[in-house]
Amino acid sequence: AQSVTQLDSHVSVSEGTPVLLRCNYSSSYSPSLFWYVQHPNKGLQLLLKYTSAATLVKGINGFEAEFKKSETSFHLTKPSAHMSDAAEYFCVVSEAWRALTFGSGTRLQVQP
Amino acid sequence: EAQVTQNPRYLITVTGKKLTVTCSQNMNHEYMSWYRQDPGLGLRQIYYSMNVEVTDKGDVPEGYKVSRKEKRNFPLILESPSPNQTSLYFCASSLSRSRTGRDLPQHFGDGTRLSIL
Repeated sequence: AQSVTQLDSHVSVSEGTPVLLRCNYSSSYSPSLFWYVQHPNKGLQLLLKYTSAATLVKGINGFEAEFKKSETSFHLTKPSAHMSDAAEYFCVVSEAWRALTFGSGTRLQVQP
Repeated sequence: EAQVTQNPRYLITVTGKKLTVTCSQNMNHEYMSWYRQDPGLGLRQIYYSMNVEVTDKGDVPEGYKVSRKEKRNFPLILESPSPNQTSLYFCASSLSRSRTGRDLPQHFGDGTRLSIL
């Protein structure tokens, strides 16, 4: 069975400082992994995806994530936070033919 | 513009009064899905559809029905809504569900906030 755990429900950073949003997953197979972002009153937008190619995945808006099989982790990072990054972020795992399984979300606050 | 459109965006109604939330996509996607989002629980899948006339239960199907008579539309039906179905609902679509599990990313609608009194 697949599952995903987002280790922090809230993260607060100052503008211009690095962002780290942590995600651990459990999967019986080689999964696909995604990060989505949700801005207030909006649907989810894909940031990046891992599908067994390069383990370091680059996404939109300067975000990237590294797939570490030995640690079953897929943490999301950004070198320098911007005010517009304030949103909720979801880590998502998917195995063959199964539904997407969403983490519970991490709310990112960016302080001026 | 490629999009998934849900209607209504907001609805307040009463227990037992049947309602339908429509979902339409203009990308000729085969796969469509409904999720509900509740605080602290992330998104949970209600139903999904692999193609026209093919639907299946997700993780939380109780109290919901769906139909897929046309490729572009995937309505969510609450025959007898109850307060525990108060939630934020999202429709999503993707080109297909790949057999290797390398799911193509899903496109999401902007959500429908339902309040059942």
